[in-house]
Amino acid sequence: KQEVTQIPAALSVPEGENLVLNCSFTDSAIYNLQWFRQDPGKGLTSLLLIQSSQREQTSGRLNASLDKSSGRSTLYIAASQPGDSATYLCAVKDNYGQNFVFGPGTRLSVLP
Amino acid sequence: GAGVSQSPSNKVTEKGKDVELRCDPISGHTALYWYRQRLGQGLEFLIYFQGNSAPDKSGLPSDRFSAERTGESVSTLTIQRTQQEDSAVYLCASSLGRRARGTEAFFGQGTRLTVV
Repeated sequence: KQEVTQIPAALSVPEGENLVLNCSFTDSAIYNLQWFRQDPGKGLTSLLLIQSSQREQTSGRLNASLDKSSGRSTLYIAASQPGDSATYLCAVKDNYGQNFVFGPGTRLSVLP
Repeated sequence: GAGVSQSPSNKVTEKGKDVELRCDPISGHTALYWYRQRLGQGLEFLIYFQGNSAPDKSGLPSDRFSAERTGESVSTLTIQRTQQEDSAVYLCASSLGRRARGTEAFFGQGTRLTVV
């Protein structure tokens, strides 16, 4: 059974710092991995999707990498801003089922 | 539509009543997912639809929960005889589906259900 973990559980940084969020999964037979952000009381906003054949994806100040063999993905946020404060979730879709398995999230606070 | 739409956005119901939650996926998306998120916890998979059929119902927590989808569009999640433990945000997502399994999932804003 696929399990997804995220480290750290919470992170507080001053504005302007570059930071890395980590996601690990137990079964490397994944189809894709997706990063989301969730603001308090809101739904999920898709940030980046990485196919299993890809190593990384970039969107603006965000860069996500995937190392399938080691079961890891990282989300790099450059020059963090207070507006980046949210919970960041990673989710994997494996080759066996059709649903996404989510990690517990990293709660990020960027202080002005 | 432009995005995944869920209604109602908030629902307060008395214990023992039935509730229906609605999800309108993005037009053309054949895959539809329901998730539950209890306060302070992660997302819990409930059910997945491909078209109008549900090949994976493994996440439904009890027989009080059911879901259907019609016209490869709208889906309703029904909870019968609600219990306080059913209080959560219910999230719906859609994606292009089987023909493009690698595509992104897009989520609605959720329905916050409170059972009193």
